Amino acid sequence: EAQVTQNPRYLITVTGKKLTVTCSQNMNHEYMSWYRQDPGLGLRQIYYSMNVEVTDKGDVPEGYKVSRKEKRNFPLILESPSPNQTSLYFCASKQGGNSPLHFGNGTRLTVT
Amino acid sequence: KQEVTQIPAALSVPEGENLVLNCSFTDSAIYNLQWFRQDPGKGLTSLLLIQSSQREQTSGRLNASLDKSSGRSTLYIAASQPGDSATYLCAVRTNSGGSNYKLTFGKGTLLTVNP
Repeated sequence: EAQVTQNPRYLITVTGKKLTVTCSQNMNHEYMSWYRQDPGLGLRQIYYSMNVEVTDKGDVPEGYKVSRKEKRNFPLILESPSPNQTSLYFCASKQGGNSPLHFGNGTRLTVT
Repeated sequence: KQEVTQIPAALSVPEGENLVLNCSFTDSAIYNLQWFRQDPGKGLTSLLLIQSSQREQTSGRLNASLDKSSGRSTLYIAASQPGDSATYLCAVRTNSGGSNYKLTFGKGTLLTVNP
């Protein structure tokens, strides 16, 4: 089944403890992206990747890192999480051109 | 800067009713517009994608229209069912000249279909 898989689904951590949210897609998509969703603010892009080893900042990149060493994986790294990074995170991927964006099921992160 | 607005923010209808969800955007230079459905605690599911050159797309009981010049799109749901209850989001890809396939999202319409 074609899908975007994020792990974990839920994560509770403490301020300053490094964490990684994994994202994997099995559709051979070149483009991948991370979004966060917050009440009243909607979905905002964090980082995106056009292909392997090609990444760039979205609208709200501060406090996040990404890497794209393989086409299928696009992990989101929080080196030193803070409470304002408590949010619902989504990974997404797509084929080239004007094809639709496919989303994972989300990761709910709580930083205390 | 592209801004996307969805009205109403919430809508409650009885089962079987036909309904329309609205989406407006400020910058008409778009590549495409996409409608998504989001169930509570879940990810976004793509429903319909309309290219900038198209006027409408249909999938089953769903019909999405696009009027680029006026910056509007509508999602028509025929014969609504309780299973249609979800948040519906529209998103536009703006022709910014860059390579980022960035979507600007509206805040969504929360639809409740009552049995």
